[in-house]
Amino acid sequence: QKEVEQNSGPLSVPEGAIASLNCTYSDRVSQSFFWYRQYSGKSPELIMSIYSNGDKEDGRFTAQLNKASQYVSLLIRDSQPSDSATYLCAVEAGSYQLTFGKGTKLSVIP
Amino acid sequence: GAGVSQSPSNKVTEKGKDVELRCDPISGHTALYWYRQSLGQGLEFLIYFQGNSAPDKSGLPSDRFSAERTGGSVSTLTIQRTQQEDSAVYLCASSPLRTGEDFGPGTRLTVT
Repeated sequence: QKEVEQNSGPLSVPEGAIASLNCTYSDRVSQSFFWYRQYSGKSPELIMSIYSNGDKEDGRFTAQLNKASQYVSLLIRDSQPSDSATYLCAVEAGSYQLTFGKGTKLSVIP
Repeated sequence: GAGVSQSPSNKVTEKGKDVELRCDPISGHTALYWYRQSLGQGLEFLIYFQGNSAPDKSGLPSDRFSAERTGGSVSTLTIQRTQQEDSAVYLCASSPLRTGEDFGPGTRLTVT
């Protein structure tokens, strides 16, 4: 059974701080990793993808992958109130099908 | 370009009735997925279509649920004899493979 685990939160950070969101996965053959943002009442929106170990930066977002530890994280620098949402981690293990975590709710306090 | 579209956006039905939910994927995306999301819950995989291959139906919760994809494009998810526990947001997503999935806006189903 493939599992993707996330802390449900809520994670509260002050505006301007770094938000750190974490995700672990059980399937060692996982190849592709994604972070989605989901605003309340809206559908998930892809914000980052990462396929190899290390860091990948896109604007204020940095995804970090450590396959040996089966761990992927998302850092949000200079957090803004508009970043308040639920962040979903998703993992693909070669079957072109994503397994999603239940998400971490982030609240950025002005 | 146009994203994934779904219809209807909201559906209220009586227990025991059948419902059909429609998904129009992004043109050229060969993969199409159906998920459902209950209030406060994560995404539950239902079914996956990939090109002309047989669909992966492993996530369908019961034989009341079925889906088809015609001509490799539009997909319909059918729920027969709806139950109150079927109430959820049904999300469709399409993908060109290995780039993550583009989600539609969802259909909110309420069974009364």
